[in-house]
Amino acid sequence: GENVEQHPSTLSVQEGDSAVIKCTYSDSASNYFPWYKQELGKGPQLIIDIRSNVGEKKDQRIAVTLNKTAKHFSLHITETQPEDSAVYFCAASMGGGTSYGKLTFGQGTILTVHP
Amino acid sequence: DSGVTQTPKHLITATGQRVTLRCSPRSGDLSVYWYQQSLDQGLQFLIQYYNGEERAKGNILERFSAQQFPDLHSELNLSSLELGDSALYFCASSGRGRGYTFGSGTRLTVV
Repeated sequence: GENVEQHPSTLSVQEGDSAVIKCTYSDSASNYFPWYKQELGKGPQLIIDIRSNVGEKKDQRIAVTLNKTAKHFSLHITETQPEDSAVYFCAASMGGGTSYGKLTFGQGTILTVHP
Repeated sequence: DSGVTQTPKHLITATGQRVTLRCSPRSGDLSVYWYQQSLDQGLQFLIQYYNGEERAKGNILERFSAQQFPDLHSELNLSSLELGDSALYFCASSGRGRGYTFGSGTRLTVV
């Protein structure tokens, strides 16, 4: 089955710096790659996603890049703010259309942004 | 608010008991998924339903079962509970072009 590895497990940055989290996946059939932010006591919140037919996607301070050949994808957060502090998860699935299928998650990255 | 509603938010029960977790998907979504989150296993997929039919199974124990009703809400039944079943249980739903969204979870504590 699919296996997703996520690095680093913890990341500490100063406010205003950029943060990058990287994930690799094992199954070349995976075609949907979402990123989630989870705050304490809450459920995972979708922050950005990308499909395998796209190499990069941006939404304000957040961007995701995908390299299908190398089977890795990355989350980039620019101009970090203290409220960006949370646990971030990458995931992969082979779904699409009306059903995205099961998500296989990475182990999570604890991001801390220091004021 | 993600649109996915889970009840109850917290549940404390004794070993050997049975509990039912409930999920109402985001309006218009036909797929419902259940995940378990624990410190040592991370987020693990349990089971998926699509429009009332079981679509995929993951690492779901035989003591656990689920169903999706005609109104699309779903229930996850956990029986013969063990201490190791203590975890956060999340429901998620998805729809065409709408992404995959999670509820706020049910924290189950087995004592």
